[in-house]
Amino acid sequence: EVQLVQSRPDVKKPGESLQISCKGSGYSFTNYWVGWVRQMPGKGLEWMGIIYPEDSATRYGPSFEGQVTITADKSISTAYLHWSSLKASDTAMYFCARMYCSGSSCYPDYYFDYWGQGTLLTVSS
Amino acid sequence: EIVMTQSPATLSVSPGERATLSCRASQSVSRDLAWYQQKPGQAPRLLIYDASTRATGIPARFSGSGSGTEFTLTISSLQSEDFAVYYCQRYDNWPGTFGPGTIVDIK
Repeated sequence: EVQLVQSRPDVKKPGESLQISCKGSGYSFTNYWVGWVRQMPGKGLEWMGIIYPEDSATRYGPSFEGQVTITADKSISTAYLHWSSLKASDTAMYFCARMYCSGSSCYPDYYFDYWGQGTLLTVSS
Repeated sequence: EIVMTQSPATLSVSPGERATLSCRASQSVSRDLAWYQQKPGQAPRLLIYDASTRATGIPARFSGSGSGTEFTLTISSLQSEDFAVYYCQRYDNWPGTFGPGTIVDIK
């Protein structure tokens, strides 16, 4: 069974750093893109970025380039989303999701077939 | 940049009735369109991909149609568990943007 298990909710202060995680199981973690999606309170879904764990190729959404860093440790089947200096506006639910892959070559232009349970981040002084 | 719109913003439906949700793209995305369902406090769930293919385990009352710029998600007979927010997503190229969502609530 494919599963993506995310780290627990967190409460941080503005200016602090944070890394949240997403651990995949039940499939070959290195061979599927893993994306991060933000959902601000009461709002819709926003693409943040995506990583291919096999070679750590990464792409970022236009609004998130330079704001967050996405990494992966394929040895433990885990992807990460990192902030170096949090802002109150980073308060949101963050989802990781596996991107469908067709055949032997995977490109980051498909839909998400499995999702993590979400990590709620609250940034407040 | 291709912009996705969804209508209506909110759809009020009685249980057992049919619901028709619309998703439009500002340019053609061929059939590279997915639909997701999100219930409060839960992650989105894939319903439909390639515009009309149901994902694994999705009931037959959910159906998708369309191509190019106009797409429709139909729920033939709404069950209590279907009241949720529905998002479309284009994936013709990266990044595959999401629509703003349609809330389906109880009439």
